[in-house]
Amino acid sequence: KAGVTQTPRYLIKTRGQQVTLSCSPISGHRSVSWYQQTPGQGLQFLFEYFSETQRNKGNFPGRFSGRQFSNSRSEMNVSTLELGDSALYLCASSRTSGSVNEQFFGPGTRLTVL
Amino acid sequence: DQQVKQNSPSLSVQEGRISILNCDYTNSMFDYFLWYKKYPAEGPTFLISISSIKDKNEDGRFTVFLNKSAKHLSLHIVPSQPGDSAVYFCAARNYGGSQGNLIFGKGTKLSVKP
Repeated sequence: KAGVTQTPRYLIKTRGQQVTLSCSPISGHRSVSWYQQTPGQGLQFLFEYFSETQRNKGNFPGRFSGRQFSNSRSEMNVSTLELGDSALYLCASSRTSGSVNEQFFGPGTRLTVL
Repeated sequence: DQQVKQNSPSLSVQEGRISILNCDYTNSMFDYFLWYKKYPAEGPTFLISISSIKDKNEDGRFTVFLNKSAKHLSLHIVPSQPGDSAVYFCAARNYGGSQGNLIFGKGTKLSVKP
């Protein structure tokens, strides 16, 4: 069974640009959550999508947005990039919303903002 | 304000000995706690969990203890093996809360020396 895949794995952008990251969940999983990992703040929850609807949202500015498609694939977008957005962005999938003990993480996308 | 704290950024243990990783939390509404292990360039993988109605859960070499009155949990690894060397994250679920699925600590890097 294929795991959670994230593309691209590495990305370099400059301040002010925007970026779109993609996440393909495990087959049959309908919930996708996004997290940001930085050395200073650790892993922080961004948002969760379930059946194409945003179910939960963390404390991030509106520059961070996401969406989910009918095939459960999800994208997150960050507009007007800032240096502080440099981080590892992880997505995790689960069968249902809130199934945190059955949440599988992808390898992450390493975003560097110059 | 950090609701889940892992106060030891790193821990070094000899192979065969016990590793004890600690985690403190502040929110009494947390109902479920998890430990994740993360290797470099990979996403976190679920290790073990415990419900707030229990005080101990065991899975092979891994045992998690929960002390609700102290708002403290710990992960014991016995015996420790070099392959256990990784970053360990403690996470908590605030069921019905507005902060999303999971709140993570900043992680403890465990090094098991042969």
